[in-house]
Amino acid sequence: GQQVMQIPQYQHVQEGEDFTTYCNSSTTLSNIQWYKQRPGGHPVFLIQLVKSGEVKKQKRLTFQFGEAKKNSSLHITATQTTDVGTYFCAGQSKTSYDKVIFGPGTSLSVIP
Amino acid sequence: EAGVAQSPRYKIIEKRQSVAFWCNPISGHATLYWYQQILGQGPKLLIQFQNNGVVDDSQLPKDRFSAERLKGVDSTLKIQPAKLEDSAVYLCASSVRTGGYEQYFGPGTRLTVT
Repeated sequence: GQQVMQIPQYQHVQEGEDFTTYCNSSTTLSNIQWYKQRPGGHPVFLIQLVKSGEVKKQKRLTFQFGEAKKNSSLHITATQTTDVGTYFCAGQSKTSYDKVIFGPGTSLSVIP
Repeated sequence: EAGVAQSPRYKIIEKRQSVAFWCNPISGHATLYWYQQILGQGPKLLIQFQNNGVVDDSQLPKDRFSAERLKGVDSTLKIQPAKLEDSAVYLCASSVRTGGYEQYFGPGTRLTVT
């Protein structure tokens, strides 16, 4: 079945450093979503990417969808302590249109 | 706009007991999801409803878990009997409809099975 992987599992950065997490799917995706979960909280939607090669920006966050629509990345420029949390990608398979599979997440710690 | 409501927020039970969780999605949202999130892992979809019909329940352990959404609005998830490995946070989410729409999550129910 479809699998969604993320690397790294954990990342510790000094405040002000950049951070990137990568998401890879075993199957071609129709779209990919990114969520953030703060410690003790619930996942909160950040963005959705649909088109091959799509790049979207939200302030210091840059999201990319691969040309083959099987991978994606989230890059944070100049991290802040408010960026702490776990970032999940969630892929919707082209073959199973209604099903969304979450990756295991990348946990980000920011050292002030 | 009110968010997704879940109750209870916390539950501690002994193994072999039963437990039920309740979820009320955002008004007008046709799709409702139940996820299980074990500590340190991503949410795992247990069941997905479109109105009161099941879209996907392939990862629901049907020998012990059941879920219903009788009137296409709120939903209950039941575990009977519970096992130690069921200890997790159970998240409910809703979206306008299925097929690539933003999911709004509730606060979750933290279940501890002893």
